Parts: sequence; structure tokens; C-alpha cells
Amino acid sequence: DARVTQTPRHKVTEMGQEVTMRCQPILGHNTVFWYRQTMMQGLELLAYFRNRAPLDDSGMPKDRFSAEMPDATLATLKIQPSEPRDSAVYFCASGLFAGGYYGYTFGSGTRLTVV
Amino acid sequence: GNSVTQMEGPVTLSEEAFLTINCTYTATGYPSLFWYVQYPGEGLQLLLKATKADDKGSNKGFEATYRKETTSFHLEKGSVQVSDSAVYFCALAPGNTPLVFGKGTRLSVIA
Repeated sequence: DARVTQTPRHKVTEMGQEVTMRCQPILGHNTVFWYRQTMMQGLELLAYFRNRAPLDDSGMPKDRFSAEMPDATLATLKIQPSEPRDSAVYFCASGLFAGGYYGYTFGSGTRLTVV
Repeated sequence: GNSVTQMEGPVTLSEEAFLTINCTYTATGYPSLFWYVQYPGEGLQLLLKATKADDKGSNKGFEATYRKETTSFHLEKGSVQVSDSAVYFCALAPGNTPLVFGKGTRLSVIA
């Protein structure tokens, strides 16, 4: 089965450090999503791209978060500087948009702990 | 707007019990509907889907029927196993915008 690959799986960092999370979407999928999951807020959509172009990043704190898709095989989510409240599991998902979405495939997530 | 409401958890059942997790939605048009499952330490996995009214999605013994008249997509399983313990998310695809997810329902099955 094709899968979405996220790295790293776990990251512990000190407050103020830069964190970069990477995602390799499924080949042929034209849309990539970044989600954050916490116990308090549940699943939140941070940003998404279609055909590598950012469509919506309104869910991201603009001052410290940035998302890019330098090529079709790589999406990145960067936090600079990181804060303890950023501790969460970050998921990447990819899907094929063809007049509508017919389901996404999620990666296994990056569990981020900021101390 | 588009929204999904799921029953609050946690739901605790004994092995071989019947499972129902309620899901209702609000949407314009005729969205596709999905159930995702998240096992501990993993990402969400697509469990089943239905793309039009009266369609029944099924997988691994789970079923859900797209009921337009009641705007519902309840998840059912006739006999749960310990391995079904997970968080279940109902979601809808409202067209050309991303999927809208419910808050999730945690299921614990005890032997």
C-alpha cells in the first residue's frame, strides 16, 4: 500500500529552537494537508497545498509557523521559534482532488515536545 | 456552514457487544461521508466511505449508511473485539474544500 511518510516520528526540543517536520506525500496525489492534534483542541487544519501552491494557511500562527512544498515529493512545516504550547502531534495527509475529495491518506505523525 | 457532530465518548463495551457511534452532519449540497479510525500512536486511517444517499460503506465488519433524510451516517458493528479499541472520526467532504472532521469518539473494548 502507498503511504505518506513523515519524519521525524518524535522530536524533543527546547523552547526557542527551530523545528522542521517533513512529509513525503503519495505519488500522484495533488493535495497535501498539515494537521495538528492535541487533547484539548482535537484535530486542527493548519494549511494545505494543491499542485504545490498554498491554498489556505489560515489555521497557522503566522508569526512562527511556515509551510512550504519545494517539490512534489516533499512538504515541510517549520516552527521558529518553538514554544511549549506547540507540543502536539503533527500529521501530514495527502489526497487526490478531482472535482472533490474522496478521502485522504494520513502519515503516522510527528510527536513534538517543546520543553 | 458544514459541520459534523459525533456522540461524545468514551464508549466502553465488552467484547462481542454491538457498537453504534452516532454521527450527524450539516452541509450544503450532497457531500461524501467518511469514517476514519485512529489506533494508539498512529495516524488516521480511512475505515469506510459513502458518496451518495442510501449508499452503505463497509469494511472489517463495520458499516454505515448515508441517510440524507436524517443527515446521519452512524457507524455500527455487530460484535466488537478488543482490537477495535481506537478513536473513530466521522467526516464529510463538502466539495472543493478540505474534509470536515468530527471531534472523535474513543472506543474501549474490554475482554
